[in-house]
Amino acid sequence: GEEVAQTPKHLVRGEGQKAKLYCAPIKGHSYVFWYQQVLKNEFKFLISFQNENVFDETGMPKERFSAKCLPNSPCSLEIQATKLEDSAVYFCASSQLVANWDTQYFGPGTRLTVL
Amino acid sequence: DQQVKQNSPSLSVQEGRISILNCDYTNSMFDYFLWYKKYPAEGPTFLISISSIKDKNEDGRFTVFLNKSAKHLSLHIVPSQPGDSAVYFCAASGSSNTGKLIFGQGTTLQVKP
Repeated sequence: GEEVAQTPKHLVRGEGQKAKLYCAPIKGHSYVFWYQQVLKNEFKFLISFQNENVFDETGMPKERFSAKCLPNSPCSLEIQATKLEDSAVYFCASSQLVANWDTQYFGPGTRLTVL
Repeated sequence: DQQVKQNSPSLSVQEGRISILNCDYTNSMFDYFLWYKKYPAEGPTFLISISSIKDKNEDGRFTVFLNKSAKHLSLHIVPSQPGDSAVYFCAASGSSNTGKLIFGQGTTLQVKP
């Protein structure tokens, strides 16, 4: 597609439940990035993929968070045993290249609320 | 440690006047800087960027200035329009060569008619 698509728009989970977020990058884009925005503050980089391969995972929490990009499927970000502090808007972005000058196009985000 | 800082949380400007949004960074390894604009309930939209080898980049009403020695960049919008009212995020890349962006906290711009 011409835009990055993210589903669902909103997700509410009780503490300890699993949350799974999806991202469909722009067609033809090889790179996918996940960012977390807590309380309208700055975006925190989580992980990036080059096609189905993890490219940079330096921002991923060591526990509970995992992500995948499989062929012919939307990318996913999964949080096992959610905590209150996981409440945030999760944005996915995609780009054709990973060059610093290549624009990352963002999706509308998924708002995760952990109760 | 916040590597990209936008020290003004908000800015209010009259329509037709100039808006100046500022951004400071600490990491001298950054070699590319971007400005994104964000409306509520939407994702950030790319606005303009600048490479560290330049000191100015202009695109229509938007100009970004980079002062490497001061580790400071600014976004000028002139003339400002009510539709420019949004949150503006400064971002930097290049410290890791993996394309990941380091964002500032954002500045909310309100342009009054």
